[in-house]
Amino acid sequence: ETGVTQSPTHLIKTRGQQVTLRCSSQSGHNTVSWYQQALGQGPQFIFQYYREEENGRGNFPPRFSGLQFPNYSSELNVNALELDDSALYLCASSPARQGVRNTEAFFGQGTRLTVV
Amino acid sequence: DAKTTQPNSMESNEEEPVHLPCNHSTISGTDYIHWYRQLPSQGPEYVIHGLTSNVNNRMASLAIAEDRKSSTLILHRATLRDAAVYYCILAPFQGAQKLVFGQGTRLTINP
Repeated sequence: ETGVTQSPTHLIKTRGQQVTLRCSSQSGHNTVSWYQQALGQGPQFIFQYYREEENGRGNFPPRFSGLQFPNYSSELNVNALELDDSALYLCASSPARQGVRNTEAFFGQGTRLTVV
Repeated sequence: DAKTTQPNSMESNEEEPVHLPCNHSTISGTDYIHWYRQLPSQGPEYVIHGLTSNVNNRMASLAIAEDRKSSTLILHRATLRDAAVYYCILAPFQGAQKLVFGQGTRLTINP
């Protein structure tokens, strides 16, 4: 059983550019969430996808958008990058088991984005 | 979102038990208590979760107060690999896995 994989591991972008980060969820998991972790802080929830539909969003502007594909992999897109977007971006997948709402989340290693 | 309060840091010795406290006085009746940890340069890792009863797994034990306003993560025999930031999180029953992380407790293990 493969875990959650994210690509790329590191990325440097210029302010104003756009970036796409990718996540492959763990086998059998149909829910994917994205988090932003600034240096020295806990991860902050960006949004979640369940069966290709957005299923909750944190306090992030619309220039943060996402997609989930039929195979449950996911993308995080950030437009008009700002210096403050520099952070570790984490993807987490979890199974939505019938009758069991509260399950553990499995995180990837993250993508370190630096905006210069 | 219901909030949790944890000490910023704790220190313990290798092969000794560690008790990591968490206060969550505003917990609702349907909030689960989750613990995750984050080792340096890695994504968070699930440790354990529970609702009302104490829980045990291969990694740790979770002791939940009778009024559910506090809980304690217990590492029975700490190793150097347990050095990490430990997060106590309340996750609502409704809806999957919107985890609200606080600052967590940075656990240092001395050899």
